Amino acid sequence: RKEVEQDPGPFNVPEGATVAFNCTYSNSASQSFFWYRQDCRKEPKLLMSVYSSGNEDGRFTAQLNRASQYISLLIRDSKLSDSATYLCVVSRWDAGNMLTFGGGTRLMVKP
Amino acid sequence: ETGVTQTPRHLVMGMTNKKSLKCEQHLGHNAMYWYKQSAKKPLELMFVYSLEERVENNSVPSRFSPECPNSSHLFLHLHTLQPEDSALYLCASSQDQGLGSGANVLTFGAGSRLTVL
Repeated sequence: RKEVEQDPGPFNVPEGATVAFNCTYSNSASQSFFWYRQDCRKEPKLLMSVYSSGNEDGRFTAQLNRASQYISLLIRDSKLSDSATYLCVVSRWDAGNMLTFGGGTRLMVKP
Repeated sequence: ETGVTQTPRHLVMGMTNKKSLKCEQHLGHNAMYWYKQSAKKPLELMFVYSLEERVENNSVPSRFSPECPNSSHLFLHLHTLQPEDSALYLCASSQDQGLGSGANVLTFGAGSRLTVL
């Protein structure tokens, strides 16, 4: 089983739609959680950290469920510019806090 | 500009060539990383340096040789590569490595796209 699993997609949604991605992680020693965004042929960039109580940044909401070992990302009112691959990233305290990346979920927002 | 600069951006080399990838960060970070990104695969961690000391070598073949002369510069020396080594090589830096919340958030360079013929 992969340490961090994501549905690769693509998720094709119209502008203005709400879309949600889930990510599951296998190791209960996982400590920190992040969503990164990667545009086509560009480097990954931090979108947001994910906190235990859940957190929101504008149209983006991230949630963590430690009991079920998954994190989610909700995007409201999708824009064309949201089209990208969203990478779920997890670090483990028992692995030197190294980051492990999921394979990413591709989102395509259409007019 | 992210503060992490990689050169060259594109590199084509034969299997017998020797080349190097260079990474420089201007963020005052203490940790630097090499990642490999192949098509349809997750980012794979290759090497980690913290305060110029290698702290992680993720079972990478010896044809890849990292060098970290100081906390701002990181090199990846390449020799006798195979076609399956063709990939995007991403350098990243973080404030620290494994020292608390947010300290390991990565800033990536734009990557060096390598093609091995």
